[in-house]
Amino acid sequence: KNQVEQSPQSLIILEGKNCTLQCNYTVSPFSNLRWYKQDTGRGPVSLTIMTFSENTKSNGRYTATLDADTKQSSLHITASQLSDSASYICVVSARNNDMRFGAGTRLTVKP
Amino acid sequence: KAGVTQTPRYLIKTRGQQVTLSCSPISGHRSVSWYQQTPGQGLQFLFEYFSETQRNKGNFPGRFSGRQFSNSRSEMNVSTLELGDSALYLCASSEGHTGFSYEQYFGPGTRLTVT
Repeated sequence: KNQVEQSPQSLIILEGKNCTLQCNYTVSPFSNLRWYKQDTGRGPVSLTIMTFSENTKSNGRYTATLDADTKQSSLHITASQLSDSASYICVVSARNNDMRFGAGTRLTVKP
Repeated sequence: KAGVTQTPRYLIKTRGQQVTLSCSPISGHRSVSWYQQTPGQGLQFLFEYFSETQRNKGNFPGRFSGRQFSNSRSEMNVSTLELGDSALYLCASSEGHTGFSYEQYFGPGTRLTVT
């Protein structure tokens, strides 16, 4: 069964600290993995898209990693800012276009 | 370029009624996808249209339908509304079919409340 699991469910960190969010999936055959940031009351915003051959991809202070062998991805946020407070959603697509969504990690950055 | 726009932003309907939501993609984008987001179920994929053809469909009942026009604008219709249809409905556009790793851009969503 194709599934995407994210951890932790929620996370509270202090401004300026780093954090790492996890995404484990069983989607097969794998096509791509996306990380989205969603502010409360707004639509998601794409952070990265990773295909099978990509191990690491950065977007400013956001760095995503992908291990296609273990079916794990992580999103690392460096030097967090208050504006990073949001939900982060992992989405994995299979080659048959089946798209699976993680439940998201709710990140709160406190001053 | 203007972003993805969705209308209306908020909607209150009564159980049993039907509703039509509209989405205008970014200029030049040919793919439009629809999603339902609820606190309990999270984000769920409804369907994707590409060049006026439904390319992919999620696991939703037939009460949920959609279409895409020649200018790539898309509408989503929900008939015989149920209380459980209360959700944020999100539309996303991309240049090509999402199966090919095209970037997706989301609209602000339509908040539907069914009473």
